[in-house]
Amino acid sequence: GQQLNQSPQSMFIQEGEDVSMNCTSSSIFNTWLWYKQDPGEGPVLLIALYKAGELTSNGRLTAQFGITRKDSFLNISASIPSDVGIYFCAGQLYNAGNMLTFGGGTRLMVKP
Amino acid sequence: GAGVSQSPSNKVTEKGKDVELRCDPISGHTALYWYRQSLGQGLEFLIYFQGNSAPDKSGLPSDRFSAERTGGSVSTLTIQRTQQEDSAVYLCASSLSQKSYEQYFGPGTRLTVT
Repeated sequence: GQQLNQSPQSMFIQEGEDVSMNCTSSSIFNTWLWYKQDPGEGPVLLIALYKAGELTSNGRLTAQFGITRKDSFLNISASIPSDVGIYFCAGQLYNAGNMLTFGGGTRLMVKP
Repeated sequence: GAGVSQSPSNKVTEKGKDVELRCDPISGHTALYWYRQSLGQGLEFLIYFQGNSAPDKSGLPSDRFSAERTGGSVSTLTIQRTQQEDSAVYLCASSLSQKSYEQYFGPGTRLTVT
């Protein structure tokens, strides 16, 4: 079963709002990755994190590797309509070679 | 450069038939992964190939599922005697090497079993 708890499962955004999502686990991870998946397409890698405490930005996206190595968050600033989609965290467990464990995803939708 | 490609993009098959799904990884990537994604769900690991090593088949859900990778490049996922619960999107990903954790995904094959 999944060892990564990703939250929220879904959220509505209004254009211009900041968005935050996170992944937590009871296990220790060596690497955290964040992906975005648009409908009908495969996940696209957004940010990769390799060190505890690391804070990395990619445009309006910022992600951090938690100090305890058991969590990570992704922030999106000043959201725009094309930010909608499903965001997945993925972690490489310290004892799992290069296999990735994926969170359940956060579905971002636009407020009507 | 070219990304991961998969074919077909969509496949509709009758229950009980066999299907083959193809993945072309990024050139030079030695690691290749297959995942299954059911509607609205996360990614379920199926199988992993690394170079010429024996594949990690620990995620295959039943013996109806098999995969091979020829020449360390193209991979084929075969599902025999398909069942309706096999309906899902099958995603392939590749990474540069055994020590690279950044996986790059193809667009997926949407399989519908009627």
